[in-house]
Amino acid sequence: SYELTQPPSVSVSPGQTARITCSGDTLPKQYAYWYQQKPGQAPVVVIYKDSERPSGIPERFSGSSSGTTVTLTISGVQAEDEADYYCQSPDSSGAWVFGGGTSLTVL
Amino acid sequence: QVQLVQSGAEVKKPGASVKVSCKASGYTFSNYGIHWVRQAPGQRPEWMGWINAGNGNTKYSQKFQGRVTITRDTSATTAYMELSSLRSEDTAVYYCARRNDYSNHFDYWGQGTLVTVSS
Repeated sequence: SYELTQPPSVSVSPGQTARITCSGDTLPKQYAYWYQQKPGQAPVVVIYKDSERPSGIPERFSGSSSGTTVTLTISGVQAEDEADYYCQSPDSSGAWVFGGGTSLTVL
Repeated sequence: QVQLVQSGAEVKKPGASVKVSCKASGYTFSNYGIHWVRQAPGQRPEWMGWINAGNGNTKYSQKFQGRVTITRDTSATTAYMELSSLRSEDTAVYYCARRNDYSNHFDYWGQGTLVTVSS
């Protein structure tokens, strides 16, 4: 089955830049989406279609794509950004797949 | 405002079935698809399938094919997910989510329904 691979954890100090990667074979052909999830809450999209930011999401969240890897960048990380982040993308059959998740710790 | 409100927590025995509802409001129900995603404790979200609320067409994850049935009642603006032959590994929070047709992401989510499978 199709897999999206993320690092399990990323740690940064407040004000620094966090980068979370997601790798998958079909990412050159399919858009990726990034969700933030805090404990006990449903996921919330922070980036869609690789690099678009929904209204209401702070400008410090950005996304990029290069080949089989997409990257979520959080510039000037704040304590409130501590959460799990999941990438999502469809596989070749149109089924939606989530990455394994990255736990962002703000030191 | 758009809202998806799910039914309450369930406790089921192995081998039983569970049916979770997702009541939509604040938008034209038949214009959007409803997806079902589950998340076991400490695990990644897992997509189960979706229904086109307009025509009722469905698509299921191969993993759940044959065990999951997604339906909708347009008059009640409610979608349903039924999972059969439950086992302990099905213990998870089950979410419904609306897919945004323009951006393709899941833009609104239900609050989640905890399904516990235990003998």
